[in-house]
Amino acid sequence: AQKITQTQPGMFVQEKEAVTLDCTYDTSDPSYGLFWYKQPSSGEMIFLIYQGSYDQQNATEGRYSLNFQKARKSANLVISASQLGDSAMYFCAMRDDDMRFGAGTRLTVKP
Amino acid sequence: EAGVTQFPSHSVIEKGQTVTLRCDPISGHDNLYWYRRVMGKEIKFLLHFVKESKQDESGMPNNRFLAERTGGTYSTLKVQPAELEDSGVYFCASSQALGQPYNEQFFGPGTRLTVL
Repeated sequence: AQKITQTQPGMFVQEKEAVTLDCTYDTSDPSYGLFWYKQPSSGEMIFLIYQGSYDQQNATEGRYSLNFQKARKSANLVISASQLGDSAMYFCAMRDDDMRFGAGTRLTVKP
Repeated sequence: EAGVTQFPSHSVIEKGQTVTLRCDPISGHDNLYWYRRVMGKEIKFLLHFVKESKQDESGMPNNRFLAERTGGTYSTLKVQPAELEDSGVYFCASSQALGQPYNEQFFGPGTRLTVL
């Protein structure tokens, strides 16, 4: 069975600094996709970044990058130059046929 | 282009009552998913439609939950009778046909269900 683990229930970061949100996963399927979503206090789920299991390079989208370590089955999200608006819940997810989510990490950016 | 919409945004019902949640996916999206997040826990998959067919309903908690997607457009999720533990936020998501380079799921705003 798939399993997604986010070990950090809450994280704090100073504005303008970088932060890494951890995510590990477990699957026996060789083909899968990894996603990160942001959920601000308004409740909507916002797609941030995607990494395919066969992608050779780590995904990047603006200030977001995914540190993909396939052998360790980790897909950590790195947010550079944190902004106050980055304060939100962040969910890691994995998909083969269907999506499975981690428990989430609440990030608070301090001014 | 309209995103995924869900109705209602909030619902407060008493234990034993029936509630029906509705999801309208993005037009043209064959895949429709239901998820729920209960009491601050992780988001859990409920089921997946491909057009009008249930592709995977392994996440449905019990037979009090019934999902339908007649005509392959909007979907409803009915809880009957509702129990206290059903309280949470129910998310719907949709995506294009499988086989795309990746299959980003677009989420609706969720329906917050409170069972008293």
